[in-house]
Amino acid sequence: ETGVTQSPTHLIKTRGQQVTLRCSSQSGHNTVSWYQQALGQGPQFIFQYYREEENGRGNFPPRFSGLQFPNYSSELNVNALELDDSALYLCASSLETGRNEQYFGPGTRLTVT
Amino acid sequence: DAKTTQPPSMDCAEGRAANLPCNHSTISGNEYVYWYRQIHSQGPQYIIHGLKNNETNEMASLIITEDRKSSTLILPHATLRDTAVYYCIVRAAYSGAGSYQLTFGKGTKLSVIP
Repeated sequence: ETGVTQSPTHLIKTRGQQVTLRCSSQSGHNTVSWYQQALGQGPQFIFQYYREEENGRGNFPPRFSGLQFPNYSSELNVNALELDDSALYLCASSLETGRNEQYFGPGTRLTVT
Repeated sequence: DAKTTQPPSMDCAEGRAANLPCNHSTISGNEYVYWYRQIHSQGPQYIIHGLKNNETNEMASLIITEDRKSSTLILPHATLRDTAVYYCIVRAAYSGAGSYQLTFGKGTKLSVIP
């Protein structure tokens, strides 16, 4: 059984640029959630995708957007990057949208300069 | 979701039991208590969850007080690899609509000391 994987591991971008982060969910999991974790803080929910549709969103602006593909893998896109977007971005998958046993990937460390 | 309160940090000697407390005095009847941990530079890892009965699995035990206003996560024989930030999360049972996100606080940083 393959766990949740994310790519890239680290990324450095310049303010104003756009970035795409990728996540492959655990085998058989149809729900993917994305979280942002600033240094010293707990992860903050960005949004969730269930069967290729956005299924809920946290307090993040529209420049944070996502996609889920038929194989349940997912992308997080962030436009017009700001310095405060520097964080660890975590992807988590679960069997169904109602399951709190979410399985997290190792994260992508994004640095915006 | 009910708010949780955890101590910011704790130490535990290697081989001893680590008891991590969590206060959730505003918990309601349909809300579960979940525990996750995050080892440095890794994603959070699910540990255990419960509603009102004590629960045990291969990783830990969860003790919930009778009034459900607090709980304790017990790692019976802490090892150095248990050094991590431990998050206590209270979440209602899924209602069948919308998303089911986890709301993390700052957690408790547990340091296991040799």
